[in-house]
Amino acid sequence: RKEVEQDPGPFNVPEGATVAFNCTYSNSASQSFFWYRQDCRKEPKLLMSVYSSGNEDGRFTAQLNRASQYISLLIRDSKLSDSATYLCVVNQGDYKLSFGAGTTVTVRA
Amino acid sequence: EAGVTQSPTHLIKTRGQQATLRCSPISGHTSVYWYQQALGLGLQFLLWYDEGEERNRGNFPPRFSGRQFPNYSSELNVNALELEDSALYLCASTPGYEQYFGPGTRLTVT
Repeated sequence: RKEVEQDPGPFNVPEGATVAFNCTYSNSASQSFFWYRQDCRKEPKLLMSVYSSGNEDGRFTAQLNRASQYISLLIRDSKLSDSATYLCVVNQGDYKLSFGAGTTVTVRA
Repeated sequence: EAGVTQSPTHLIKTRGQQATLRCSPISGHTSVYWYQQALGLGLQFLLWYDEGEERNRGNFPPRFSGRQFPNYSSELNVNALELEDSALYLCASTPGYEQYFGPGTRLTVT
């Protein structure tokens, strides 16, 4: 089983819609979680950090479910500029970070 | 505050040659991570340096090596280049767990 798994998508949604997707992790001792966004051929940029049950930043909400070992990202009122690949990163402890392969989101006009 | 910088932006080499990639972290960050991202694939962890020491390495052959200098900048060396080494190489610096990435070096091996 991979350490971090993401649905690759793509998730195609109209502007204004809500989109949500999950990231599952295998190591139950994982301590903290991060969502990054990566635009085509660019570097990943930190979107959100999650150290407890969840985090919210404007239209973006991350929820952590430790019992089922997944973290979700929800984007409300999608904008065209939200089109990107979203990477899930899991800190497994001792500074060992594992990256998911990413979920592609395309927001259409 | 200046972000993570990497040089060169693009690098074209032929098979069998050596490549050297450079990274300067954000001021105050002592940890530098290197990743390889081949086209269409996720980030693969290469190396982690902290305070001048190699702390961890990913599942890559020994021809991938590097070092960290006293000013915390870092260098990644890839020897005996192979065609499949063509990828975007990303460097990230971190004050703890959150990583801040540079723009990457796109290495093409022909």
